[in-house]
Amino acid sequence: GAGVSQSPSNKVTEKGKDVELRCDPISGHTALYWYRQSLGQGLEFLIYFQGNSAPDKSGLPSDRFSAERTGGSVSTLTIQRTQQEDSAVYLCASSFYAGINEQFFGPGTRLTVL
Amino acid sequence: DAKTTQPNSMESNEEEPVHLPCNHSTISGTDYIHWYRQLPSQGPEYVIHGLTSNVNNRMASLAIAEDRKSSTLILHRATLRDAAVYYCIISTAGTGNQFYFGTGTSLTVIP
Repeated sequence: GAGVSQSPSNKVTEKGKDVELRCDPISGHTALYWYRQSLGQGLEFLIYFQGNSAPDKSGLPSDRFSAERTGGSVSTLTIQRTQQEDSAVYLCASSFYAGINEQFFGPGTRLTVL
Repeated sequence: DAKTTQPNSMESNEEEPVHLPCNHSTISGTDYIHWYRQLPSQGPEYVIHGLTSNVNNRMASLAIAEDRKSSTLILHRATLRDAAVYYCIISTAGTGNQFYFGTGTSLTVIP
């Protein structure tokens, strides 16, 4: 079956612009996670959804970052007024539920802020 | 959340076993141990997870120390396709299973 998909695969933007990153989870997965991976760094947890709710938003780096999920499916991560330090690969993962079970990762969106 | 410590890199000869260590000395009783690996230019993929007992699956084995402060991922016969960054992750049950990744171990498999 189809895995987690993310779009766009690559995004180049200018400093100060807003960007939206999209994640389509595996059908039937109720939990969805966002991570980012900066060059040469490990993965940093940003936020997770159980259904359409995000119980913990403390992982978002600043108030320029926001995320939403609608219909228990697609999620969008929005970065406002992008900065160069936002350049990273943004990864999305989904799982059956937000508990101890396997997370399936998408291929990521590579964001470059000039 | 418990932090993990892993060696930055390891090498193994092809078709030999590989033991990848991980220290997690601040682990608590409800924390699970997960291993994921990331091949170049791909998202991470699941390898194995456990709580207290050793675990085996088709990919690997997970050996957990009796005090749970360390664990070892065992690849029984390394192949070139096993070259990846291996992450040891601790997550706490009941908190959404968010993963806090360390820097991982980059495994090189020598033909």
